[in-house]
Amino acid sequence: GAVVSQHPSRVICKSGTSVKIECRSLDFQATTMFWYRQFPKKSLMLMATSNEGSKATYEQGVEKDKFLINHASLTLSTLTVTSAHPEDSSFYICSARRTGNTIYFGEGSWLTVV
Amino acid sequence: QKEVEQDPGPLSVPEGAIVSLNCTYSNSAFQYFMWYRQYSRKGPELLMYTYSSGNKEDGRFTAQVDKSSKYISLFIRDSQPSDSATYLCAMRDQGGSEKLVFGKGMKLTVNP
Repeated sequence: GAVVSQHPSRVICKSGTSVKIECRSLDFQATTMFWYRQFPKKSLMLMATSNEGSKATYEQGVEKDKFLINHASLTLSTLTVTSAHPEDSSFYICSARRTGNTIYFGEGSWLTVV
Repeated sequence: QKEVEQDPGPLSVPEGAIVSLNCTYSNSAFQYFMWYRQYSRKGPELLMYTYSSGNKEDGRFTAQVDKSSKYISLFIRDSQPSDSATYLCAMRDQGGSEKLVFGKGMKLTVNP
């Protein structure tokens, strides 16, 4: 079964509003989680590395004020897309590193901005 | 040269065939090697994880790592239509960066 859970799996929001996506590690503690974006038929694009208790590290070209990441506990990281626009519509996926260096992905969240 | 090269395919095989998927890489610091399977519109699912060189078998899946050639493989025996998916190789080094570096992903279709 899934060891990393994402919620919601699908969300539709109006342009200009904000939407939050949660990523939870279900049976392990994850000091590090990762947020990705995936465009159709493309590989995963790392957006940021989320560290528990500290600020996220964003990849070049990713707007930190637009994609707010909070890793408040060892089992939860959240991604908030602020002032969403249609071009933010995408598949967002999180992953978490388990002890032993295995990295598990969530089921992904489809965001549609209308 | 990209850090990780993977032929994106697509690859189409008949049911029961042996499938060989491969990636090459350029960074000799990579120590952890993973294969993920991603069904359409879903998150990647970890299939195999290997540390350093060697082989690992799990059911119909075998992962091989040849660090001297910087080459990793995933073999699928007795392929099934349910194996139809995109297969991504991923790897990372043992250093401070925990980021995974992915191949482009190979789209596999197993025809009944």
